[in-house]
Amino acid sequence: GAVVSQHPSWVICKSGTSVKIECRSLDFQATTMFWYRQFPKQSLMLMATSNEGSKATYEQGVEKDKFLINHASLTLSTLTVTSAHPEDSSFYICRGSTEAFFGQGTRLTVV
Amino acid sequence: AQSVTQPDIHITVSEGASLELRCNYSYGATPYLFWYVQSPGQGLQLLLKYFSGDTLVQGIKGFEAEFKRSQSSFNLRKPSVHWSDAAEYFCAVGAEAAGNKLTFGGGTRVLVKP
Repeated sequence: GAVVSQHPSWVICKSGTSVKIECRSLDFQATTMFWYRQFPKQSLMLMATSNEGSKATYEQGVEKDKFLINHASLTLSTLTVTSAHPEDSSFYICRGSTEAFFGQGTRLTVV
Repeated sequence: AQSVTQPDIHITVSEGASLELRCNYSYGATPYLFWYVQSPGQGLQLLLKYFSGDTLVQGIKGFEAEFKRSQSSFNLRKPSVHWSDAAEYFCAVGAEAAGNKLTFGGGTRVLVKP
């Protein structure tokens, strides 16, 4: 079946640095990818919808300059957390254009 | 706006016993409904989904769910729980079958006692 591959699975970075998370659709063309954030013991909150070849659509309250999303090809969408701070520490998960295909998630810890 | 409520934050069940997880949704039109399971530090796995038709939906791992429009509910059930069913379960609602935003409930953590 179709798979969404997300990596890294975990990353630790220093405050002020940037971190890039990748989501690849391995055997299908993903014209749309969804990016979620999940705090410990909480639900998933949609951050943004990335669209291949166009700008991402961000949910209300999500800083687009801080969470840069790029969807340059039909198989790759990236989320870059810029100038990371400890409050950005979270679990980030991507989803393909159908409801079944989630990435494995990325645990980001900013120290 | 669509919303999902999972009233139970934690449920503890004995291995072999039955399990029912509650989910209530709010949506103006006919919703698409989903149940997912998440193991610690992992992504989400789709258990089952309801789009239309038979209101009793069968999923993977022995799970089933019943859509009750009159109660705005989509409860998940399993007749006999296995220790490997210990995980976090999320109910979600969407407006379209594919490519649409999903709104998730708060999740229910299931603990299985030996």
